[in-house]
Amino acid sequence: EAQVTQNPRYLITVTGKKLTVTCSQNMNHEYMSWYRQDPGLGLRQIYYSMNVEVTDKGDVPEGYKVSRKEKRNFPLILESPSPNQTSLYFCASSYDRTGPYEQYFGPGTRLTVT
Amino acid sequence: AQKITQTQPGMFVQEKEAVTLDCTYDTSDPSYGLFWYKQPSSGEMIFLIYQGSYDQQNATEGRYSLNFQKARKSANLVISASQLGDSAMYFCAMREGLTGANNLFFGTGTRLTVIP
Repeated sequence: EAQVTQNPRYLITVTGKKLTVTCSQNMNHEYMSWYRQDPGLGLRQIYYSMNVEVTDKGDVPEGYKVSRKEKRNFPLILESPSPNQTSLYFCASSYDRTGPYEQYFGPGTRLTVT
Repeated sequence: AQKITQTQPGMFVQEKEAVTLDCTYDTSDPSYGLFWYKQPSSGEMIFLIYQGSYDQQNATEGRYSLNFQKARKSANLVISASQLGDSAMYFCAMREGLTGANNLFFGTGTRLTVIP
């Protein structure tokens, strides 16, 4: 089954404790992206990757890191989480081709930083 | 400036009736794609429908249709014969450029409630 998986689905942590949210896709997509969703703000892009070893900042990259060492994986790293990073996080992926190629979304990770 | 604007924070519709969710966009790129996603209370993002900027016909997918008015830069989603399961958050999104590797810009969403 074509899918994007994220782990963990729920996470409660404390300020300053490093964490990683994993993202993996099995569709051989070139493009991967991370979003955060906050009430009243919709989804905002954090980082994206056009292919292995190619990453770039989105609209809200502060406080986050990413890496793309393998095509299928795109982990999101919070080196020192703060309460303002409490949010719902989505990983997404897509083909790098012309046409009606939608982004496939993972199930989301609900993060609470206390 | 906002690239995607959804002006209806919440909408109500009677079961079996049609409803239109508004979306306007802003871009100077002649090549772009417009998307609608549904987010039920369980949280996942479900792709509904796509319209390319060069598509001559309005996109349709089952009970969903996209009313694309290019000159007005609007891409409204029409849901016909509403069902209780249509109650969800709906997001309009735009991708500048025509490849899947271009970034998506999202609106703030419209919460649709279907009344029995």
